[in-house]
Amino acid sequence: SQQGEEDPQALSIQEGENATMNCSYKTSINNLQWYRQNSGRGLVHLILIRSNEREKHSGRLRVTLDTSKKSSSLLITASRAADTASYFCATDALYGGSQGNLIFGKGTKLSVKP
Amino acid sequence: KAGVTQTPRYLIKTRGQQVTLSCSPISGHRSVSWYQQTPGQGLQFLFEYFSETQRNKGNFPGRFSGRQFSNSRSEMNVSTLELGDSALYLCASSLDRGRSGYTFGSGTRLTVV
Repeated sequence: SQQGEEDPQALSIQEGENATMNCSYKTSINNLQWYRQNSGRGLVHLILIRSNEREKHSGRLRVTLDTSKKSSSLLITASRAADTASYFCATDALYGGSQGNLIFGKGTKLSVKP
Repeated sequence: KAGVTQTPRYLIKTRGQQVTLSCSPISGHRSVSWYQQTPGQGLQFLFEYFSETQRNKGNFPGRFSGRQFSNSRSEMNVSTLELGDSALYLCASSLDRGRSGYTFGSGTRLTVV
């Protein structure tokens, strides 16, 4: 069953605007990862944030993590048409022998209009 | 360096048949995980192999099985195919069992008719 829930399910913005996606999860985690998927192809790893980190940046991406609220957000700044894709958060749970097992949310479908 | 390679890219099978999918991880990666992606259930974990041993298994019936070879290449097998097995099957490899993230292949699109 899904651990995370992304919000919103779909997001449509204009090129140049910022896009914010949120993710909530249920159990204690080692880390939380964000992935992008273009048109039903493979997933591309974007960024990983560990449970003891609160914020991380990578290029136009900014991820925050609030372990007390079990939530994370992904901000894409100055979006481009090429950012159009589905974005998934995935958690690497802390307990239960689940190492090597990511639990994915349902994803946010981002559409960036030129 | 080469990425994760999954073969075949597309597959059409008939109900009741069996199928084998292949995954070659990034060189040096010893952990290989498999996921099933469907519109209804999303991305679900199937199993993970590390150093030729299954280390973790998701909640799938015994018709789904896998193995890993000494060169870290992995195969997954689905026997007695059902219509509901139609999905995108994704393989991911990791150097450190996901502690620094995974690299995914492009997937195998399986259609059961």
